[in-house]
Amino acid sequence: DTGVSQNPRHKITKRGQNVTFRCDPISEHNRLYWYRQTLGQGPEFLTYFQNEAQLEKSRLLSDRFSAERPKGSFSTLEIQRTEQGDSAMYLCASSLGAGTMTGELFFGEGSRLTVL
Amino acid sequence: AQTVTQSQPEMSVQEAETVTLSCTYDTSESDYYLFWYKQPPSRQMILVIRQEAYKQQNATENRFSVNFQKAAKSFSLKISDSQLGDAAMYFCAKGGADGLTFGKGTHLIIQP
Repeated sequence: DTGVSQNPRHKITKRGQNVTFRCDPISEHNRLYWYRQTLGQGPEFLTYFQNEAQLEKSRLLSDRFSAERPKGSFSTLEIQRTEQGDSAMYLCASSLGAGTMTGELFFGEGSRLTVL
Repeated sequence: AQTVTQSQPEMSVQEAETVTLSCTYDTSESDYYLFWYKQPPSRQMILVIRQEAYKQQNATENRFSVNFQKAAKSFSLKISDSQLGDAAMYFCAKGGADGLTFGKGTHLIIQP
């Protein structure tokens, strides 16, 4: 399968713990996006990378959140000191070029976080 | 801030019938892209159809078509000959330089 891959698919953690999600984009895609989706809502933009550079961060991305994309390949999204409000589906998407302007984003199946 | 509004939380249609999902948006840009994405249960989101704002002709992809009214900032999706596999959440989205802005979605139910 050469689509966008996200791991783990499900994560249950206790409040205050750190969690890390990984996203492997489609190999030739230079842009990688992270979105958060809560129940009954559409995905909300968190951040995106062009190659290894993080070009934009949403105000939703508090100081407890950090994302990296070393070498412009896979990306990780870490949440420190998790809170119950962090419970959501975290979606990764990739595109070739400016996918949000002209083309399409290819989404992974998401990583569902439950904070107890 | 850009907003995308989907006013129908849920829609139901009989199999083989036609259904229209509504979407309005707010923008000050003159050139942009609009998208409809489909999210089946526990599956990834996939692009259904896209529309370039500078094109007056409405986009069509097989059974899916849009009614794009630029002046009214309206972008509805029409699904013809509805099939059971069309059951999903449908999200309208507007493209921007940094990311997509999504609506809250419409849950489409197909009645057999």
